[in-house]
Amino acid sequence: DGGITQSPKYLFRKEGQNVTLSCEQNLNHDAMYWYRQDPGQGLRLIYYSQIVNDFQKGDIAEGYSVSREKKESFPLTVTSAQKNPTAFYLCASSISRDPQNIQYFGAGTRLSVL
Amino acid sequence: DQQVKQNSPSLSVQEGRISILNCDYTNSMFDYFLWYKKYPAEGPTFLISISSIKDKNEDGRFTVFLNKSAKHLSLHIVPSQPGDSAVYFCAVNNAGKSTFGDGTTLTVKP
Repeated sequence: DGGITQSPKYLFRKEGQNVTLSCEQNLNHDAMYWYRQDPGQGLRLIYYSQIVNDFQKGDIAEGYSVSREKKESFPLTVTSAQKNPTAFYLCASSISRDPQNIQYFGAGTRLSVL
Repeated sequence: DQQVKQNSPSLSVQEGRISILNCDYTNSMFDYFLWYKKYPAEGPTFLISISSIKDKNEDGRFTVFLNKSAKHLSLHIVPSQPGDSAVYFCAVNNAGKSTFGDGTTLTVKP
């Protein structure tokens, strides 16, 4: 059963703490993405990766970091430098050669600050 | 500067009637236009798309219209069903990168 798995579903962060959100896909997709959604707003791109060992900053990369050591995995770290981390985080993947760039999303992780 | 705008945050329609969701964009270089549907606490799922070389694409109850001169995209759902109640995002593509609108919450009343 192919798809994208995000974990955990809910995550709480203390002041000054780094937290890592997991994203795994078994769709054999080359490209992966991280988005942030705030209430009443659309999806804003944090980071994306078109291929293993390579990634680019999106529109709101400050305070976040990523790695792409394996094709299947694209973890997102929310660092202490991100002063307003409370949001719904979505991971997605797509086929690099698809001109439509149809993206397949995980169920999301809701991050809150304690 | 927001490249994609969905000016109606919400829309309410009666079951069986037509739902029309709208999206405006600024960059004429976009090559594909997509609609995604999102239920609460879930990720968006792809619904329908249209290439910039077409002006209409139909898939069952869903039709997307593209007016390039007006830089306007619309999604028609007919007939609307209660299960269509969700948030709908339009997305525009350029060189493999997608930009999403803020979404429109559609409520279909039985």
